[in-house]
Amino acid sequence: AQSVAQPEDQVNVAEGNPLTVKCTYSVSGNPYLFWYVQYPNRGLQFLLKYITGDNLVKGSYGFEAEFNKSQTSFHLKKPSALVSDSALYFCAVRLYNTDKLIFGTGTRLQVFP
Amino acid sequence: GAVVSQHPSRVICKSGTSVKIECRSLDFQATTMFWYRQFPKQSLMLMATSNEGSKATYEQGVEKDKFLINHASLTLSTLTVTSAHPEDSSFYICSARGTAGLAGQETQYFGPGTRLLVL
Repeated sequence: AQSVAQPEDQVNVAEGNPLTVKCTYSVSGNPYLFWYVQYPNRGLQFLLKYITGDNLVKGSYGFEAEFNKSQTSFHLKKPSALVSDSALYFCAVRLYNTDKLIFGTGTRLQVFP
Repeated sequence: GAVVSQHPSRVICKSGTSVKIECRSLDFQATTMFWYRQFPKQSLMLMATSNEGSKATYEQGVEKDKFLINHASLTLSTLTVTSAHPEDSSFYICSARGTAGLAGQETQYFGPGTRLLVL
């Protein structure tokens, strides 16, 4: 079955420190992978995606993600966290040969001053 | 670019009434839009895929007669919750698939969501 897993419900990090939000996937075919961020009572904002090409993808607000085919992972990273990065982060994968996205359960990132 | 709006942002209605939620792509044309439902502290669940000019495709378990979807133009899709009941209270989010040249057709752009409370 095709799925996306975000193993951590919450990640806590001090402001200025690097952050990582984990995501692993299981899909048929070549994966199309996405990261979205959700602030309270808001929709999802697109951060970045991997379709093909370089394994390191750079996105909005200084975020980047590394596609690792052997580990079937697509972890989100940022070198220096900001308090304003505190939000809910969703990893998503597009189902093979469809437009549909399936989402992970989300990881709440809390950045402490 | 790639802005999607939803209206209303919040609605409270009485049980048994119908509620219409609009989803608009503001600066691009969207042949395909999606409707999701999000329960508190949970992930998004795809309800249906809406294609302009044709009938929506509903996910398994979603009642098409209860959640009416219309996609009459390339920039507007509507979701009508008919005869709403308290269990329909939720956060409804739409998205629109991007177009070539606007971050790619692979990307979905999401509206800000509509919080529905049925009393």
